Amino acid sequence: DSGVTQTPKHLITATGQRVTLRCSPRSGDLSVYWYQQSLDQGLQFLIQYYNGEERAKGNILERFSAQQFPDLHSELNLSSLELGDSALYFCASSPAVRDTQYFGPGTRLTVL
Amino acid sequence: AQSVSQHNHHVILSEAASLELGCNYSYGGTVNLFWYVQYPGQHLQLLLKYFSGDPLVKGIKGFEAEFIKSKFSFNLRKPSVQWSDTAEYFCAVSPGGGGNKLTFGTGTQLKVEL
Repeated sequence: DSGVTQTPKHLITATGQRVTLRCSPRSGDLSVYWYQQSLDQGLQFLIQYYNGEERAKGNILERFSAQQFPDLHSELNLSSLELGDSALYFCASSPAVRDTQYFGPGTRLTVL
Repeated sequence: AQSVSQHNHHVILSEAASLELGCNYSYGGTVNLFWYVQYPGQHLQLLLKYFSGDPLVKGIKGFEAEFIKSKFSFNLRKPSVQWSDTAEYFCAVSPGGGGNKLTFGTGTQLKVEL
């Protein structure tokens, strides 16, 4: 157990819908990262927040957005969902900006 | 932009065999290097990491990796694998000088047979 928690574990929804994935970092970690793992794209970095501010952006679609709240938990919002958005979404956290990242158990999103 | 190549996509070994998984990266500056393992149905766990110093890094569960700067490589090794090492292994790199975006390789699926 890495100390990073993610909810829900599984999410099944329909195309066109919007979902929110939640992540709570390890105690004391200020930085949160989101990754997408799919069969065709592998593990891809989406976005990073540090202490509430966006720090780095990767291959994140415009339909996706994220934020980090004052209590340091983070949410990833996925809208206008498409079949291709079906994937495992991982959250990771680290104490600061350049430290080792520890991963949560992931949320498996299935878009039907 | 950084990239990571893992040459072996699937590896099958017998218990007690030695393991070496290849990882090469492409990046113009200093890098931090990582190996993560994903057991079936579980999340990514850190096996070992290299930031600086001794290029031979020892990790958990008897794994080690060697950073060879001239070859842009960070191969993972274990002298004697166990059935419980069956998992997917990911090599990853982040820029050493700034930022913390991890770029992952495509992963190597290791199956250890009894």
